[in-house]
Amino acid sequence: GQNIDQPTEMTATEGAIVQINCTYQTSGFNGLFWYQQHAGEAPTFLSYNVLDGLEEKGRFSSFLSRSKGYSYLLLKELQMKDSASYLCAVSDYNTDKLIFGTGTRLQVFP
Amino acid sequence: DSGVTQTPKHLITATGQRVTLRCSPRSGDLSVYWYQQSLDQGLQFLIQYYNGEERAKGNILERFSAQQFPDLHSELNLSSLELGDSALYFCASSVGRGRESGGYTFGSGTRLTVV
Repeated sequence: GQNIDQPTEMTATEGAIVQINCTYQTSGFNGLFWYQQHAGEAPTFLSYNVLDGLEEKGRFSSFLSRSKGYSYLLLKELQMKDSASYLCAVSDYNTDKLIFGTGTRLQVFP
Repeated sequence: DSGVTQTPKHLITATGQRVTLRCSPRSGDLSVYWYQQSLDQGLQFLIQYYNGEERAKGNILERFSAQQFPDLHSELNLSSLELGDSALYFCASSVGRGRESGGYTFGSGTRLTVV
């Protein structure tokens, strides 16, 4: 089976940096995804890690350690529009199904 | 437009009724995934189809069923509806081996309200 944990809520200040952690346990790992979701809208892709290390894409970076079952999403230079839920998801090797954690609701304050 | 089309966008129905949600995957994608998202909850995986065949099943209730047709569109059937079935239902698609960056594309969802 799969188990994915991430904090329920986080707050941060505009212009700051925030790190959202995700730990996972899975029987067949085929990559870890981060999605952003605004309330009532579809999730949108942010990043994908399948090998250990850091992937950087603009203000967003994602890190993966497969041996530790651990990932984080780093958001820099926070903007008000970054207030959203951030979903950690793991892809299953055998079926490609994508299993999500419960999501972290981030609130950015001025 | 993500390329994944879900209809209808909104649906209001009474308890005990049956509804069908439809999903057309992105062109070229063979896999379709269905998710349920209740208010302030995470995305719960329901079921996956690949090229017309069921590939993986999540915590899908027996009252719910799905299928994928030869043209690759998929339908999710929800029957004997209860108030607790009110949720956003998302469909996603991928080529099949969704490991590629951004390989899963989500539709805009169907908001189901059971009254």
